[in-house]
Amino acid sequence: DIQMTQSPSSLSASVGDRVTITCRASQSITTYLNWYQQKPGKAPEVLIYAASNLQSGVPSRFTGSGSGTDFTLTISSLQPEDFATYYCQQSYRTPPNFGQGTRLDIK
Amino acid sequence: EVQLVESGGGLVQPGGSLRLSCAASGFTFSDHYMDWVRQAPGKGLEWVGRNRNKDNSYTTEYAASVKGRFTISRDDSKNSMYLQMNSLKTEDTAVYYCTRGNYDVLDVWGQGTTVTVSS
Repeated sequence: DIQMTQSPSSLSASVGDRVTITCRASQSITTYLNWYQQKPGKAPEVLIYAASNLQSGVPSRFTGSGSGTDFTLTISSLQPEDFATYYCQQSYRTPPNFGQGTRLDIK
Repeated sequence: EVQLVESGGGLVQPGGSLRLSCAASGFTFSDHYMDWVRQAPGKGLEWVGRNRNKDNSYTTEYAASVKGRFTISRDDSKNSMYLQMNSLKTEDTAVYYCTRGNYDVLDVWGQGTTVTVSS
């Protein structure tokens, strides 16, 4: 199985900050990497698919990059609604494992 | 509106069984593979399994943690997917999400249904 490791596990930031979350795969997954956002008590929603493609309706302050084993999710200017937990997921091979999540809190 | 609605969750004793349902609407259900993903209380997301579409022979795959105990099926005529869970363990306690697969991304999620395994 391909293991996904996110860092950091938690992060405190302020509105307007630029934030970067990283995700590392245990083997190359080319660009088969998705990012999801989950708010408390809600289902996850996809933000980025295939490493760098913005899902329809997602604000442009979210960007994804990377290929192979190393990936990043960047939020250019944090908004109040961005405080949530973020998960990466590889879709290169089943099982399509998720990272452990990164909780983004208000500083 | 594209929508997935799960049902069937509840409280069950260890060793018991439960069947979850997922009703889809607003899209051509038969075109898509469908996954179940679960989330234990206070924990992260765990993929449970997949049911592929007719073009892919309705093949199924499962996480190692549920293989042999859980069975995923679908009825395209009813736009529905099911998760039959047998020999339930306390560690199966979670919110179970039905998701739509679309070109290697889970792009639509239901609201989830809660399964509690406890004596």
